Amino acid sequence: AQTVTQSQPEMSVQEAETVTLSCTYDTSESDYYLFWYKQPPSRQMILVIRQEAYKQQNATENRFSVNFQKAAKSFSLKISDSQLGDAAMYFCAYRSLQGAQKLVFGQGTRLTINP
Amino acid sequence: GAGVSQSPSNKVTEKGKDVELRCDPISGHTALYWYRQSLGQGLEFLIYFQGNSAPDKSGLPSDRFSAERTGGSVSTLTIQRTQQEDSAVYLCASSLEWARAQYFGPGTRLLVL
Repeated sequence: AQTVTQSQPEMSVQEAETVTLSCTYDTSESDYYLFWYKQPPSRQMILVIRQEAYKQQNATENRFSVNFQKAAKSFSLKISDSQLGDAAMYFCAYRSLQGAQKLVFGQGTRLTINP
Repeated sequence: GAGVSQSPSNKVTEKGKDVELRCDPISGHTALYWYRQSLGQGLEFLIYFQGNSAPDKSGLPSDRFSAERTGGSVSTLTIQRTQQEDSAVYLCASSLEWARAQYFGPGTRLLVL
């Protein structure tokens, strides 16, 4: 079974600075998807960014980018020019291409933005 | 509406009562998932529906939990004889068949007293 580990329960950053959230995963599969979701206090899970494992190029979405290291099974999220609205829980998630294709989530990282 | 909707937003019930939670997926999405988010267990998969195929129930924690999806659209998650450990946020998500991303609803917070 796949597992996802987020080793940073909490992170904080100054507004306008850059912060990187870590995620590692374990799998024996060669093709899969990885995601970062954001969950603000409203508890709505919002998709931030996605990465297909077969793509070597790191995904980017505006101020959000990932560093995908397939061999190391690492998938970190970089947030540039942090804004107050970025404050939330961030979850890393793995999705197999087999079976139910359910999401396997990490434990989450709570990100605080300091004004 | 464009997104996944869930009702009720919050539910308080007494131990031993049955509860029903509803999920309305994004129109056209054939895949529907239920997840549970609790302090002790994090986010865990419960059940998956894809079109007319038999659902994948491998994540349901006990036989008190069941779910159905009528007409390939709306889904209802039923918890019978609720226990205090069932207290959690229940999240529903939907996606297009073979799509990469799942889109979540706002969740139902269940509190069992």
